[in-house]
Amino acid sequence: DTEVTQTPKHLVMGMTNKKSLKCEQHMGHRAMYWYKQKAKKPPELMFVYSYEKLSINESVPSRFSPECPNSSLLNLHLHALQPEDSALYLCASSQLDLITYNEQFFGPGTRLTVL
Amino acid sequence: AQSVSQHNHHVILSEAASLELGCNYSYGGTVNLFWYVQYPGQHLQLLLKYFSGDPLVKGIKGFEAEFIKSKFSFNLRKPSVQWSDTAEYFCAVRGRGNKLVFGAGTILRVKS
Repeated sequence: DTEVTQTPKHLVMGMTNKKSLKCEQHMGHRAMYWYKQKAKKPPELMFVYSYEKLSINESVPSRFSPECPNSSLLNLHLHALQPEDSALYLCASSQLDLITYNEQFFGPGTRLTVL
Repeated sequence: AQSVSQHNHHVILSEAASLELGCNYSYGGTVNLFWYVQYPGQHLQLLLKYFSGDPLVKGIKGFEAEFIKSKFSFNLRKPSVQWSDTAEYFCAVRGRGNKLVFGAGTILRVKS
């Protein structure tokens, strides 16, 4: 299994809603990532988890709250988002060894629209 | 801080034409470089990567890239493109903390 899966594929939410994005991988990867990709822009890193611990937070607003319940799952909890947070949210995973250290496998993304 | 610059935002080629997409990076540490491709409606996929050794790396689907340290470049090439190569191509550099920094992307359209 070389897939990273993400649910839901599409999400529309209001600014007062609370929702969660989910990501799952079964490749035994111990690093997982959240990226944000706005239209016609490259992906931008939000968070990195290594061995289920948050290792990088790229100064993301607190209305985005990541969670890594186990080595296969990564969640992104959303609360009180703004319309400018509308984007494609990508999850990725990778090994944590020296050779394949950063070959990241990406999921298909969740397209989020905030009304 | 790491940065990646891709020279062309849009490229249009006819089938069988040769392709070269430019990528320059800025990073002071050990360099790991990548090219990812995003086909229409699909997720990001790794085309090829450079970690060390032979600076000419071969990837999937006939793509290759050459790492030229003196020019801080990692250009992507393919001798003969196909209509199915229509996609967006991203160059990326691995920075501190396992972070990937992407270039702005190049949209390639191949005319059949």
